[in-house]
Amino acid sequence: DQQVKQNSPSLSVQEGRISILNCDYTNSMFDYFLWYKKYPAEGPTFLISISSIKDKNEDGRFTVFLNKSAKHLSLHIVPSQPGDSAVYFCAASAGSSGDKLTFGTGTRLAVRP
Amino acid sequence: DGGITQSPKYLFRKEGQNVTLSCEQNLNHDAMYWYRQDPGQGLRLIYYSQIVNDFQKGDIAEGYSVSREKKESFPLTVTSAQKNPTAFYLCASGFRNTEAFFGQGTRLTVV
Repeated sequence: DQQVKQNSPSLSVQEGRISILNCDYTNSMFDYFLWYKKYPAEGPTFLISISSIKDKNEDGRFTVFLNKSAKHLSLHIVPSQPGDSAVYFCAASAGSSGDKLTFGTGTRLAVRP
Repeated sequence: DGGITQSPKYLFRKEGQNVTLSCEQNLNHDAMYWYRQDPGQGLRLIYYSQIVNDFQKGDIAEGYSVSREKKESFPLTVTSAQKNPTAFYLCASGFRNTEAFFGQGTRLTVV
């Protein structure tokens, strides 16, 4: 049972344009959401997070939006840069389940120069 | 420098052998995690620990074992009972309700 889903395995965007990566979840107990970026053969690095009490969090070029009623979150990258090309993972945790992180399957972003 | 260290980076194991992957952190984090990544798949949780001398099974714990005798260390043993152990293994640590920091990973190959 995949509780965190990233339905788009890949995304290609022109440099300078907006990248929008999507994530859906099924567990209504999730109360903290994170995005990670991963290069091949390396560990994921944290990008940005959002608590369920908020609907938006912004950090530089990265903004995460949370729609609790739709159980959906998205990561916006503006403007996209070639160095953003990587696999992006969405993750979620529930305080009631010991804060373990549940990850989605990832979306591979390619930013074309 | 503070961080989380996994060793070795590459590991080869013969079928039927147990092998232990090391994970050490000096970030003073309470929680530590082990994940497995297979090609084209996300990160699946094997085991996690929120405090010394305590750990819980994740989604795919069968064939694996862990210990948490020290706050800094969370080794993972891949036993011969794990039917498909070839994968990329990631260790992470963190505080409650904050981001987890990952190590660089260990690629385990069964030969």
